Amino acid sequence: NAGVTQTPKFQVLKTGQSMTLQCAQDMNHNSMYWYRQDPGMGLRLIYYSASEGTTDKGEVPNGYNVSRLNKREFSLRLESAAPSQTSVYFCASSEPSGRYGYTFGSGTRLTVV
Amino acid sequence: AQSVSQHNHHVILSEAASLELGCNYSYGGTVNLFWYVQYPGQHLQLLLKYFSGDPLVKGIKGFEAEFIKSKFSFNLRKPSVQWSDTAEYFCAVGVAGGGNKLTFGTGTQLKVEL
Repeated sequence: NAGVTQTPKFQVLKTGQSMTLQCAQDMNHNSMYWYRQDPGMGLRLIYYSASEGTTDKGEVPNGYNVSRLNKREFSLRLESAAPSQTSVYFCASSEPSGRYGYTFGSGTRLTVV
Repeated sequence: AQSVSQHNHHVILSEAASLELGCNYSYGGTVNLFWYVQYPGQHLQLLLKYFSGDPLVKGIKGFEAEFIKSKFSFNLRKPSVQWSDTAEYFCAVGVAGGGNKLTFGTGTQLKVEL
């Protein structure tokens, strides 16, 4: 089925460890996004990529890096995890106009201890 | 930068009651407006969207929303809720031509009791 696939679904890290969250879409969308969801705060944009080869910071980029590997894949890296990064992470994609909303992945629940 | 306010954080209704969830945004230009639903343990799914034309839009599962430009509002409604509507609802706003970035509200947790 066409959609957005995220891996892993769950992860526990120790403070200071690094990891990469993977995201791939087969919707042929140009734009991809990483959001984090925290209770009472909704979804906040971490980074986005308007098209292959470009990335830009969102609202809460500190502590994260991204790579737009190709049109399909957009990864999010935590270089040195902190407890404040405990969250649910969602990847999403959209077509260029943005009029049709996002297609979201199923999320990654990350706990940093 | 635009912001989105959802004033109802938690709503509890009985089945068959009517629902209205408020959403207000702050941005003076042209916007694209969305409502998403997140069922427990799942990802966000699009309920409905508005970007032009008739300000009353209909979405899936009997939901509708009305865009009132003068009030900067995009409230979600359903005449008769069901237990299966228990979920969290998010309003989102995108600036037309603004790189497709969406700003989300903080969400409204809806619980429908039998």
